[in-house]
Amino acid sequence: AQSVAQPEDQVNVAEGNPLTVKCTYSVSGNPYLFWYVQYPNRGLQFLLKYITGDNLVKGSYGFEAEFNKSQTSFHLKKPSALVSDSALYFCAALNTGGFKTIFGAGTRLFVKA
Amino acid sequence: DGGITQSPKYLFRKEGQNVTLSCEQNLNHDAMYWYRQDPGQGLRLIYYSQIVNDFQKGDIAEGYSVSREKKESFPLTVTSAQKNPTAFYLCASSFLAGGITDTQYFGPGTRLTVL
Repeated sequence: AQSVAQPEDQVNVAEGNPLTVKCTYSVSGNPYLFWYVQYPNRGLQFLLKYITGDNLVKGSYGFEAEFNKSQTSFHLKKPSALVSDSALYFCAALNTGGFKTIFGAGTRLFVKA
Repeated sequence: DGGITQSPKYLFRKEGQNVTLSCEQNLNHDAMYWYRQDPGQGLRLIYYSQIVNDFQKGDIAEGYSVSREKKESFPLTVTSAQKNPTAFYLCASSFLAGGITDTQYFGPGTRLTVL
């Protein structure tokens, strides 16, 4: 079965430090990969996506993600965390031969001042 | 959330009652989706639609029904057959290109509570 794994339920980081939220996928072919962010009682907001090309993808609010095909990973990164980055982050994958986007279970990021 | 509206924001249902959640988009997107979100479980797909007057069941369609009479609208009805409907419901939409979906954009959600 195809799946997206976010191995950490929660990530804690101090403000100003770099952050990484991990994601690995098990999806056939060359999937599109996405990161979304969700603030409390809100819908998901699109951050960035990888289709092809450069393994480092830049997105909204200073976030970037690194694609690693050999490790089937797509980790979300930010050089300097802000308290306002505290939210729930979802990784997702879309098999380009299919239609359904597969979401991970989410990782809660907590940035401490 | 821009371009996709969901109403109401909060909804309360009594036992045995059907309720309908509204989802409207003005993004001219072809495809629309309904997800259910429960704590710690991520998003689960209920129904999706690629074109008007056509829709397919997702992973947890039992107890739910949808319609797609207009491109802009994709209402979800939670029927009395859904035994545990308390959850946060998210509607999304996306373009289709050659039958392949693109980035999904989400509405603000409806929180449904069974009384």
